[in-house]
Order: sequence, then structure tokens, then C-alpha cells
Amino acid sequence: DQQVKQNSPSLSVQEGRISILNCDYTNSMFDYFLWYKKYPAEGPTFLISISSIKDKNEDGRFTVFLNKSAKHLSLHIVPSQPGDSAVYFCAADSGGGADGLTFGKGTHLIIQP
Amino acid sequence: NAGVTQTPKFRVLKTGQSMTLLCAQDMNHEYMYWYRQDPGMGLRLIHYSVGEGTTAKGEVPDGYNVSRLKKQNFLLGLESAAPSQTSVYFCASRRDWGNEQFFGPGTRLTVL
Repeated sequence: DQQVKQNSPSLSVQEGRISILNCDYTNSMFDYFLWYKKYPAEGPTFLISISSIKDKNEDGRFTVFLNKSAKHLSLHIVPSQPGDSAVYFCAADSGGGADGLTFGKGTHLIIQP
Repeated sequence: NAGVTQTPKFRVLKTGQSMTLLCAQDMNHEYMYWYRQDPGMGLRLIHYSVGEGTTAKGEVPDGYNVSRLKKQNFLLGLESAAPSQTSVYFCASRRDWGNEQFFGPGTRLTVL
């Protein structure tokens, strides 16, 4: 059973607008969440993260929001730029995370000019 | 700093052949991981290591073996390749503090 779900396989957004990518999780033991960005034929690169003791983390154009009661997080990108076109993976970690991350299936973000 | 490197980048095997994928990191990280990614799927953990000489099973370990003889290297072995092991394999490493994992560029493996 999927513990981390990204229910939108793809999302198309106009350049300059806000992109909102969503992620839901089922495991209450997850205490740290990360977003990775992946271009074709490359490895995932870390984008932004949030601890379960926070509800928001911001880094430049990227903001992650966490709603623990709903077991939901979202990544906001504003303004969206052409270079943001990529696959975005939501990942979750628990108990210090030595034993690996649990990933969602990813959302392909397409920024339209 | 090269970060995390993976060898080879591409490989085609016939069913039943064996091979070893090499992952190397120059960041002195304690933890290392092997994931596989299949079309339309997220990354799934195969095996991981929390230090030199240690290994542990992840979510999908069957058909794979690993070794961590040196801190900087993590090897993934396929003893008898099967078409179901056609995938893109990613290696990652992590410090012993923090949660961020650093990924290599991947190895695309096709088993015919």
C-alpha cells in the first residue's frame, strides 16, 4: 500500500503563475518531508524540506506547507519559470531516516510559455 | 567534489547474466542507498548501508546483493538477471545527521 501519494501525474501551469504540487501520506511515523526535482536522464536533486514540528518552510520561490492533521503537504512555486519543468517527487522520512526515504510516484510539472 | 558517481551509465544484459553496479561518493558520508525507479513509479529502496561493513534490506531486495567494503563505495550485484530487473538504478548517500540524500545520475539497465 502506498504510504506517500502524489495523485496528480502531471500539472500544466503558465509561466509566471503559481504552481502547487500536492502530496498525501498515511504513515503517522513520518516526521520529515522532502521534495526532490528530477530532470530526464539525471538523478533527483534536493529542493526543500520540512520537519513535522513546522507547518511552513520557505526558500526563495519555493514554499512547502505541512498540514499534519490532514496528513497533507504541498509545494508552492511562485513565480513559475520554464526551468521548473521537471518531475517533482515528494519523499518522507521517519525516526532519523537512516533506513531510507519513502517516495511518491511523482508529478510532472510543465511550465507553458 | 564529484559527489555521487555511478558506473556504468547504461547496460544491456541477457536473462541469467550477472553484473555489479558501482556507486562511489567523495563526501565522506556514512549512509548509502540503492533505489530503483520504474516507469510511472517513485523510487523504491532496494538495500542500504549505515556504515562500512554493514548492509540492510529495503523494500524490494529480492534478486539483489550488496557490499560496502569501503566507506566511499557501495556495490549492487545482480547474480542472475531477470527482465523484471529492467529499471533505472539510483545510488544515494547521506551524512549521519540531517535527512537530505544526495543522488547519483543513475544507471539504466535493460535485461532481455
